Amino acid sequence: EVQLVESGGGVVRPGGSLRLSCAASGFTFDDYGMSWVRQAPGKGLEWVSGINWNGGSTGYADSVKGRFTISRDNAKNSLYLQMNSLRAEDTALYYCARDPLGWQGAFDIWGQGTMVTVSS
Amino acid sequence: QSALTQPPSVSGSPGQSVTISCTGTSSDVGSYNRVSWYQQPPGTAPKLMIYEVSNRPSGVPARFSGSKSGNTASLTISGLQAEDEADYYCSSYASSSTVVFGGGTKLTVL
Repeated sequence: EVQLVESGGGVVRPGGSLRLSCAASGFTFDDYGMSWVRQAPGKGLEWVSGINWNGGSTGYADSVKGRFTISRDNAKNSLYLQMNSLRAEDTALYYCARDPLGWQGAFDIWGQGTMVTVSS
Repeated sequence: QSALTQPPSVSGSPGQSVTISCTGTSSDVGSYNRVSWYQQPPGTAPKLMIYEVSNRPSGVPARFSGSKSGNTASLTISGLQAEDEADYYCSSYASSSTVVFGGGTKLTVL
């Protein structure tokens, strides 16, 4: 079964850090680009960051550039998001998503998400 | 990186057709055929319904179709069914090497 499982979410104070992970299974991980997409409670979807199949190309939304870092380990079939200098507005459900087009927005497989809450 | 513009809500009766618009700019929708549409029922992860403007992934009913003209993309759902009630989001690749989503449209089946 093709599956993405996120982990690493939790409650963190403003200014803190968190590292999210996404474990992939059921497909050849390094055939695909991957992205992180978040959804604040009751709000719409926001693309956060994307990475190509080998990690050689990455992209970030302006809202997280310089604070978040996306990476992947193809040997471990895993995607990561290192989040630093967290703010209240980063509070959201974070999804990882697979993209056959690299990271151009055709997200065909999604995980169930991991919740990040930034609060003092 | 401004969000694409979608109507907040649309509605239709079973069997009818509805169209959801998604307006961007010449830096995203107008320049790339990388427009996708997602369906998200409450409490669930999004599901890809249309990619590259008008292509349907395997398993998505032919009732769902996509198109684009200039800076505006559209999702049309024909033969509306109760199970189609959900939030719908468009997305587009953008010239800044990013992806931008629309604000979402709530579809109500009357």
